Amino acid sequence: NAGVTQTPKFQVLKTGQSMTLQCAQDMNHEYMSWYRQDPGMGLRLIHYSVGAGITDQGEVPNGYNVSRSTTEDFPLRLLSAAPSQTSVYFCASSPHGTRGGELFFGEGSRLTVL
Amino acid sequence: GDSVTQMEGPVTLSEEAFLTINCTYTATGYPSLFWYVQYPGEGLQLLLKATKADDKGSNKGFEATYRKETTSFHLEKGSVQVSDSAVYFCAQETGGFKTIFGAGTRLFVKA
Repeated sequence: NAGVTQTPKFQVLKTGQSMTLQCAQDMNHEYMSWYRQDPGMGLRLIHYSVGAGITDQGEVPNGYNVSRSTTEDFPLRLLSAAPSQTSVYFCASSPHGTRGGELFFGEGSRLTVL
Repeated sequence: GDSVTQMEGPVTLSEEAFLTINCTYTATGYPSLFWYVQYPGEGLQLLLKATKADDKGSNKGFEATYRKETTSFHLEKGSVQVSDSAVYFCAQETGGFKTIFGAGTRLFVKA
């Protein structure tokens, strides 16, 4: 049972480079989201999607793009990496994403921007 | 806006001690409340939840009661184990497709 799979687990970038963090889930969940985790700040929502073809912004969307072409995949793109984007990124999914909806998390992707 | 505030850590306890981690929330509606746990090197996983006032969530010896009058959802465990060492996150979800997390509280349990 794979659940939510994130790749890569670790990545080092130089300022200005672009990259994509991949997220895939095999639970047929409609809702998917991306969070970043920074010390002392908990998890902050970057973008989310309630179904294929539908995405919306969270609390900290600047510098990130997402798309949702299939139910299974929800990639996060960094267009021009900055040191402030050094963080641990988590992808999460939920069967409904509405009231009472438990989130299922991937293991995280640690990104360092030099 | 909606927010979650939890006690700062780290919290260090001896094995078999009583644990309380405080959590309060502000919300415009009637949120569902959650505790998630993150073990080293892993993603978060749901520990327990409560969806309405006075509900008690429980799992693995942990408990938390949804207190609307004090806007609180404190996590408790009667006797902690070394294996409970982790980071604990309080969270709320108001039905707007956004789950809001507290800053997290790191727990160390000594043998």
